Amino acid sequence: DTGVSQDPRHKITKRGQNVTFRCDPISEHNRLYWYRQTLGQGPEFLTYFQNEAQLEKSRLLSDRFSAERPKGSFSTLEIQRTEQGDSAMYLCASSLGTSQETQYFGPGTRLLVL
Amino acid sequence: AQKITQTQPGMFVQEKEAVTLDCTYDTSDPSYGLFWYKQPSSGEMIFLIYQGSYDQQNATEGRYSLNFQKARKSANLVISASQLGDSAMYFCAMREGDNYGQNFVFGPGTRLSVLP
Repeated sequence: DTGVSQDPRHKITKRGQNVTFRCDPISEHNRLYWYRQTLGQGPEFLTYFQNEAQLEKSRLLSDRFSAERPKGSFSTLEIQRTEQGDSAMYLCASSLGTSQETQYFGPGTRLLVL
Repeated sequence: AQKITQTQPGMFVQEKEAVTLDCTYDTSDPSYGLFWYKQPSSGEMIFLIYQGSYDQQNATEGRYSLNFQKARKSANLVISASQLGDSAMYFCAMREGDNYGQNFVFGPGTRLSVLP
């Protein structure tokens, strides 16, 4: 399987706990994106990396959220002190960095904060 | 203001019929790209088709075609010969300019149900 993978697929946590999600992009893709999607909505941009550099962060990304891509390959998204409002699907996508810039998505991590 | 508008929250189509899903967009940038994604109940976003703002011809990919009307700022997705497996959410998305990240936005989606 050479697509984008995400782990875990589902996460249930209690309010106030920290959670970390992992994304493995398509191997030759140098751009990696994180999105959040709530029920009935389209994905909302959170942040993106070109290789290991985090180039842009949405204002949706509060101080409790942090993302890394230390070696320009996989990425992690950490949410500290989770709140019930963080419950959502977290999607990762990667792209080759061409002018078309098609993003290919992983299966997502569904987070439920109790 | 919404960058991407999809006015049909839900659509029904009979199996083997064609269906058009509407998408209008708003940008002042002359360079942009338009995308359609399918999201089945499993949650994964599947890329379907791409149209660049400078492309002269409408994009086609198998049973999918994009009816691109630049002056009207519309990029409707046409699915021919619908199949039961086409039942899913469909999202229109736009990349503005050559910058990415926040300039890649999705519409609210249309839920398509294909009836046997």
